[in-house]
Amino acid sequence: AQSVAQPEDQVNVAEGNPLTVKCTYSVSGNPYLFWYVQYPNRGLQFLLKYITGDNLVKGSYGFEAEFNKSQTSFHLKKPSALVSDSALYFCAVRDNAGNNRKLIWGLGTSLAVNP
Amino acid sequence: DSGVTQTPKHLITATGQRVTLRCSPRSGDLSVYWYQQSLDQGLQFLIQYYNGEERAKGNILERFSAQQFPDLHSELNLSSLELGDSALYFCASSVSETYTGELFFGEGSRLTVL
Repeated sequence: AQSVAQPEDQVNVAEGNPLTVKCTYSVSGNPYLFWYVQYPNRGLQFLLKYITGDNLVKGSYGFEAEFNKSQTSFHLKKPSALVSDSALYFCAVRDNAGNNRKLIWGLGTSLAVNP
Repeated sequence: DSGVTQTPKHLITATGQRVTLRCSPRSGDLSVYWYQQSLDQGLQFLIQYYNGEERAKGNILERFSAQQFPDLHSELNLSSLELGDSALYFCASSVSETYTGELFFGEGSRLTVL
């Protein structure tokens, strides 16, 4: 069965330090992978996606993510965190095997960047 | 601004009542998705419509129903409301029928059932 795990409910990082928000997945076929961000009292916003091609994907606001097929991971990274990056981050995966084409969402990771 | 409009932003009602949430998708988007977000269950997919037809169903209760109209706006109807239905309900839209690209989310409708 498809699943997405975000193993950390919360990540704390100091401003200026690199940040990583983890995501692992389980699918039958090849995955489409997505990261979204949710600022307080707002809807989700798309950050980046991996469909095929280069394993390192660059997205909005200086974020990037690396697709690692052997580790079934798609961790979100940023070299230097900003206080304004504090938000809730969601990883999502679509399994391309079979006829089930739904998007499965992780439970979210709350990122707090401390000044 | 995502271009997706949801109304109302806030709604307070009593158990047993019925409410309708409305969503206008981004211009040109044919797919509309409804999600429920609660603290204990995270983001739950409810249902998807594409160009007026139901395309996928998720964890949508029988008390809930939705439709997409010819002008592509969508409504989510919640009936016989229970305390546990209190949540943030999001609508999202996309150009494609399948998840290959970006979903554009509205700001949500916060439902409180007392």
